[in-house]
Amino acid sequence: DTGVSQDPRHKITKRGQNVTFRCDPISEHNRLYWYRQTLGQGPEFLTYFQNEAQLEKSRLLSDRFSAERPKGSFSTLEIQRTEQGDSAMYLCASSRPDRPETQYFGPGTRLLVL
Amino acid sequence: DQQVKQNSPSLSVQEGRISILNCDYTNSMFDYFLWYKKYPAEGPTFLISISSIKDKNEDGRFTVFLNKSAKHLSLHIVPSQPGDSAVYFCGGDNSGNTPLVFGKGTRLSVIA
Repeated sequence: DTGVSQDPRHKITKRGQNVTFRCDPISEHNRLYWYRQTLGQGPEFLTYFQNEAQLEKSRLLSDRFSAERPKGSFSTLEIQRTEQGDSAMYLCASSRPDRPETQYFGPGTRLLVL
Repeated sequence: DQQVKQNSPSLSVQEGRISILNCDYTNSMFDYFLWYKKYPAEGPTFLISISSIKDKNEDGRFTVFLNKSAKHLSLHIVPSQPGDSAVYFCGGDNSGNTPLVFGKGTRLSVIA
């Protein structure tokens, strides 16, 4: 049973560029979550999917952020027109249908916007 | 509005002694609490959880205690080992029906 994987692990971009991150959940986990973590803070919830349905997206930080999970398997998080304040660790997590309350995290994608 | 608070940013403990990490919450709807451990440059690793119907859950060296009336939980690690040195996050949710809310974390250093 492989864990949650995220790609890339690190991304450096210039302000104004678009970036896309990918998350592959644990197989048979139907829920997939995106979080952002900044220095000295705990993970901050952004959005989540149950299968391909996005059930909560009001916490996405701005309309520059969007996420998809088209086939209910992997998910992508896109940030358009990046700003320096977007620099953070972006974490993905997944959970089982019978244990939605327990989430398993991937290694994260560290984004640096110059 | 910080729904989950970890008031100690850091804690230092001698190897072999007990580490006690504390967490307070304000949201009465939370009925499930989790502890995660995080090493630098890695994602959080699930450690142990507790449902609000219990007041204690034990897994090896790790025990979580829940005091619902005080809206307080604690993680005990005994005996502490140098490999336990990490940042520990406490989180709460409503049976997975609401987003998991985390505290800011406590950095534990176990000194050999």
